[in-house]
Amino acid sequence: KAGVTQTPRYLIKTRGQQVTLSCSPISGHRSVSWYQQTPGQGLQFLFEYFSETQRNKGNFPGRFSGRQFSNSRSEMNVSTLELGDSALYLCASSPDLLGGTQYFGPGTRLLVL
Amino acid sequence: ELKVEQNPLFLSMQEGKNYTIYCNYSTTSDRLYWYRQDPGKSLESLFVLLSNGAVKQEGRLMASLDTKARLSTLHITAAVHDLSATYFCAVVPGTYKYIFGTGTRLKVLA
Repeated sequence: KAGVTQTPRYLIKTRGQQVTLSCSPISGHRSVSWYQQTPGQGLQFLFEYFSETQRNKGNFPGRFSGRQFSNSRSEMNVSTLELGDSALYLCASSPDLLGGTQYFGPGTRLLVL
Repeated sequence: ELKVEQNPLFLSMQEGKNYTIYCNYSTTSDRLYWYRQDPGKSLESLFVLLSNGAVKQEGRLMASLDTKARLSTLHITAAVHDLSATYFCAVVPGTYKYIFGTGTRLKVLA
């Protein structure tokens, strides 16, 4: 089975812009979670989607949003980018919502200038 | 507040030595995960510990879980350079979302 894929892998944006990141889960996996990883804050949970519905949400401002499509692919959007949004954004998929093992994608490295 | 703390944060050890990484968590969790992350790479699942007293071993790594003490350990036996990476533990509280630990950056010196 193919693993979790994320596009793009690298992205450079300027403050105030918006960005959309994409994640394709492992085939058959219905749960997709997003994480932000920074040297200062570590790995922080953004949100989780299952069956096109957001099921869990972390403590991030409303500028961070996401969605999931019927084929389980997910996108996350960050509007009005700030310098502090520079991070590695990781997507992870799992078969269901029950806290099972998550399989992580390679990540999208976002740099905000 | 949910907290998952790992000790130590940084670990430099000689090849062939043994060491233990500790993961303490502040909330109940019926499972605990260990992940490995190489520099610039994503996370790779190492172990899933599902019950009190669970022990899992893979090669030179052994993980254990004490749910009463809310403590998990990752023991490294006879370290080799290839084990150099950052190791994360993660718990899953009742809300099912992962709470990751602070990470332990391990460097094994030849």
